[in-house]
Amino acid sequence: AQSVTQLGSHVSVSEGALVLLRCNYSSSVPPYLFWYVQYPNQGLQLLLKYTSAATLVKGINGFEAEFKKSETSFHLTKPSAHMSDAAEYFCAVSRLRGSARQLTFGSGTQLTVLP
Amino acid sequence: NAGVTQTPKFQVLKTGQSMTLQCAQDMNHNSMYWYRQDPGMGLRLIYYSASEGTTDKGEVPNGYNVSRLNKREFSLRLESAAPSQTSVYFCASSVGDRGSTDTQYFGPGTRLTVL
Repeated sequence: AQSVTQLGSHVSVSEGALVLLRCNYSSSVPPYLFWYVQYPNQGLQLLLKYTSAATLVKGINGFEAEFKKSETSFHLTKPSAHMSDAAEYFCAVSRLRGSARQLTFGSGTQLTVLP
Repeated sequence: NAGVTQTPKFQVLKTGQSMTLQCAQDMNHNSMYWYRQDPGMGLRLIYYSASEGTTDKGEVPNGYNVSRLNKREFSLRLESAAPSQTSVYFCASSVGDRGSTDTQYFGPGTRLTVL
């Protein structure tokens, strides 16, 4: 079965500091992986996705993630945090089940950016 | 182009009452999904519809029913609400290409409280 684990339900960084949000996956086949962001009282917005074309994936708002097969990881990073990055971040793995692709989400990481 | 819309935004029910959550998308997507989001648990799939005329159970279908009314609309019904169904409900849609990194797009959510 495919699943994802997000290490750290809460992460705090100072404005301007590096953001690192961790995601490890479990999959018996090459995975399709996603990062979504959820701002307060809003729906989920796609940040980036891994399509197997390149191991380093660039997304919106300066975020990027690197797929590391040897570590079964897909960690999300941003070099310099901004106050507007405060949100909840979800890692997800896509799998073909039944008649459609389904997403299995991690439990989420709440990012707080301190002034 | 509104994307995925959901109504209502908020709802309070008493135990045993019924209600229907509405979802519509204007992206000509084939697949639609209903999730619930609970603290610390990420998003869990309730039901999905791979294409117009089909529906399938997800991870947590008990207590819910769905209807794919047409290609645009996918409703979620609670026949007899229970406090355990207090949650935030999200609808999503995707092209539904089983062979690709099919991307799901989310609505703004419905916050449901069952007393």
